[in-house]
Amino acid sequence: EAQVTQNPRYLITVTGKKLTVTCSQNMNHEYMSWYRQDPGLGLRQIYYSMNVEVTDKGDVPEGYKVSRKEKRNFPLILESPSPNQTSLYFCASRRTGVYEQYFGPGTRLTVT
Amino acid sequence: KNQVEQSPQSLIILEGKNCTLQCNYTVSPFSNLRWYKQDTGRGPVSLTIMTFSENTKSNGRYTATLDADTKQSSLHITASQLSDSASYICVVSVQTGANNLFFGTGTRLTVIP
Repeated sequence: EAQVTQNPRYLITVTGKKLTVTCSQNMNHEYMSWYRQDPGLGLRQIYYSMNVEVTDKGDVPEGYKVSRKEKRNFPLILESPSPNQTSLYFCASRRTGVYEQYFGPGTRLTVT
Repeated sequence: KNQVEQSPQSLIILEGKNCTLQCNYTVSPFSNLRWYKQDTGRGPVSLTIMTFSENTKSNGRYTATLDADTKQSSLHITASQLSDSASYICVVSVQTGANNLFFGTGTRLTVIP
């Protein structure tokens, strides 16, 4: 089954404790992206990647890092999480030149 | 500035009734417009995609319209069901650039029995 998977689905952590949210897709898509979704603000892009070893900032990249060492994986790293990073995070992927994105199930992160 | 605005922000309707959601955009140069359905706590799922030359497209009880001249789109839901309760997000793509999607903030639809 074609899908985007994220882990963990739920995470509660404390300020400053490094964490990684994994994202994997099995559709051989070149393009992958991370979004955060907050009430009233909709989906905002954090980082995106056009292909392996190619990443770029989205609209709200501060406090986040990403890497794209393999085509299928695109982890999101929070080196020192803060409470304002409490949010619902989505990973998405698509084929280059095709505008339909496939979204993962989401990761709800709470930073206390 | 490229923007996508949706209205209303939220809507409550009775089961079986019809409703229409609106999307206005200032995105240019326009490529296509997509409506997504997002159940609470889940990832968005694509409902329809419309290109510049298309005026209307249906997907079951969902019908999307596009007026490229006025830069407006609507999503009409007929004979609503409880399972239609979700957020509906309008996403507009531009023709240029590597990162070319613009998201609306969504309309939260609640269908009550």
